This record gives sequence, structure tokens and C-alpha cells, in this order.
Amino acid sequence: EIVLTQSPGTLSLSPGERVTLSCRASQSVSSSYLAWYQQKPGQAPRRLIYGASSRATGIPDRFSGSGSGTDFTLTISRLEPEDFAVYYCQQYGSSPPVYTFGQGTKLEIK
Amino acid sequence: QVQLQESGPGLVKPSGTLSLTCAVSGDSVSGTQWWSWVRQPPGKGLEWIGEIYHSESPNYNPSLRSRVTMSLDKSTNQFSLKLSSVTAADTAVYYCARNTDYAMDFWGQGTTVTVSS
Repeated sequence: EIVLTQSPGTLSLSPGERVTLSCRASQSVSSSYLAWYQQKPGQAPRRLIYGASSRATGIPDRFSGSGSGTDFTLTISRLEPEDFAVYYCQQYGSSPPVYTFGQGTKLEIK
Repeated sequence: QVQLQESGPGLVKPSGTLSLTCAVSGDSVSGTQWWSWVRQPPGKGLEWIGEIYHSESPNYNPSLRSRVTMSLDKSTNQFSLKLSSVTAADTAVYYCARNTDYAMDFWGQGTTVTVSS
């Protein structure tokens, strides 16, 4: 089973700053199978990125994803007040079919 | 626009069976997508429970496989989750979602299930 480790656990930043969130896999993950989500309190997760670097419909271009193999990143180029939330990475494993999530990174206002 | 809505009892007794249904609109559960259940214990992260497709066997999280059953009803455009032998550790918000491109693109709002006597 592939384990996803996100770092840092919590990040305190100010609006306007640039941030990079890390997701490290215990084994190599196909880029096609790596996604990122944003979750705000009391809400369902929202898909931001799929296929490691493809932005989902309606997601602002300040969000970008990159990486390959075991190391993936989500970058927010310039933080807006609405971006303070918890971010999860997720991978799909095909043998057997299983989805796993990282433990999340909380982005809080400094 | 695809919409999903979970429904079911909010309180289940220990050792009982949790049963939830997800009503889908804007897409067909007998179409080309798989459909998932995901849960989130209070204050914790996301855990995938399993997925179902209309013409294949469901796939379940190995950690829950012995207790999970998923089914799909084409006539009502819904899919369902049953989790047996529940304990307090199964207390969580349960989400249904649509799978696309190896991720979940549309989610229900979630329903809270508490396991308590």
C-alpha cells in the first residue's frame, strides 16, 4: 500500500505570499494518478488538480501542480484570503484498485 | 451540473449496520464513471471506503473490505453503502463522490453518522 506524506502539517502565511505544499509517496506514483483537493471547514473537498498538473474546471490559475515519481507539489502563486484551508493529495493505485489520501496540510492566516 | 446527495440515519448503534444512499442528478450511475464513498472522522483526514461501477464488481478499501457492501440502483439513479459491525471508530462524515480521471470531481455535501448507544 502506498502511503502519502504531506508536509508541513500546518503553514502560517499572509495573503499575497507564494506557497508550495509537498506530497511524498512511499513508492512511485504515476503522474496520471495524483490529485490535490482543498477543503474548507464544514464543506466537502474540492478537486483542484488531477493528473499531477491539470487544473480542474473553474480553478484559478494561481494554483499549479507539478512533480513525478514520489515527489509532488502544489503551488499557490499568490495567496488570496479564500485560499486558507486544508489541502490533501490523493493517489490511485491500480493493483488492487485503491485510493489513498495524504494526512493534509493546513494553511492558516498569519 | 452533477449533484450528489447523501441520506441515511445519523445515529447507529454499536455492532449495528450503517446504511447510506447517494442520489445522483445530472449524470447516470449506469454511465461511464465509477462512484465512490469517502469518510472523514471528526477532526481527521479523508479515507476512501470503496467504489462501484454498474457493470463490474465494486472495489473496497482493504482495511474495510470485510465489513463493506456497495450497491447501485439504475432505476432510481442511486448508489448505496452498507458498513456492518460498526464501532465508535466509524463515527464520521460520509461523502459520496463521482470518480473522473482517477480523482473525485463531484462530491455530495456529506452526512454525519454517529455510532453510539
